[in-house]
Amino acid sequence: GQNIDQPTEMTATEGAIVQINCTYQTSGFNGLFWYQQHAGEAPTFLSYNVLDGLEEKGRFSSFLSRSKGYSYLLLKELQMKDSASYLCAVRGENNNAGNMLTFGGGTRLMVKP
Amino acid sequence: DVKVTQSSRYLVKRTGEKVFLECVQDMDHENMFWYRQDPGLGLRLIYFSYDVKMKEKGDIPEGYSVSREKKERFSLILESASTNQTSMYLCASSLSITEDYGYTFGSGTRLTVV
Repeated sequence: GQNIDQPTEMTATEGAIVQINCTYQTSGFNGLFWYQQHAGEAPTFLSYNVLDGLEEKGRFSSFLSRSKGYSYLLLKELQMKDSASYLCAVRGENNNAGNMLTFGGGTRLMVKP
Repeated sequence: DVKVTQSSRYLVKRTGEKVFLECVQDMDHENMFWYRQDPGLGLRLIYFSYDVKMKEKGDIPEGYSVSREKKERFSLILESASTNQTSMYLCASSLSITEDYGYTFGSGTRLTVV
């Protein structure tokens, strides 16, 4: 089975750094994704990790530890526009739809002035 | 720019109606997916398709069916709409080979059943 956990809500201050954690237990592992979703809009791709370590992309970084079933998304120099939900998703074993993702419940981040 | 297009952004239907949600992608992707998204429950997979005329049940297929007659189009059908099917419906597509960006999502259809 698949189980992906992330906090429901987080609050942070503009200009600060915030870390959003995600733990997973899945049958097989072929990559972990982070998506950003603004209210009423579609999720958009942020990052992808398949090997252990940190992937940095501008203000956003994502970390993966496969042995611990753990990832985090790090947002630096927070801006008001970063207020959104952040979805952690895991690609498990290959199946007929070899690219199928299982999503966590999402973390709603509120950035305050 | 790659696109997944959902035919309606907002939809209001009556209980018992048959409802069609349409999704079209222009990226020649093999895989297409229908999710519903509800507060506190995240994205839940309804159905997916990995090829034309092929379909597989997801986690919550009850009350839904799908159709994929052409590669670019994947339709979700609510056979007899009920109020508990009020939700945001998201369509997504992907290539069948390993890709590092996962899915491309449509903009969603917010369905209200009254």
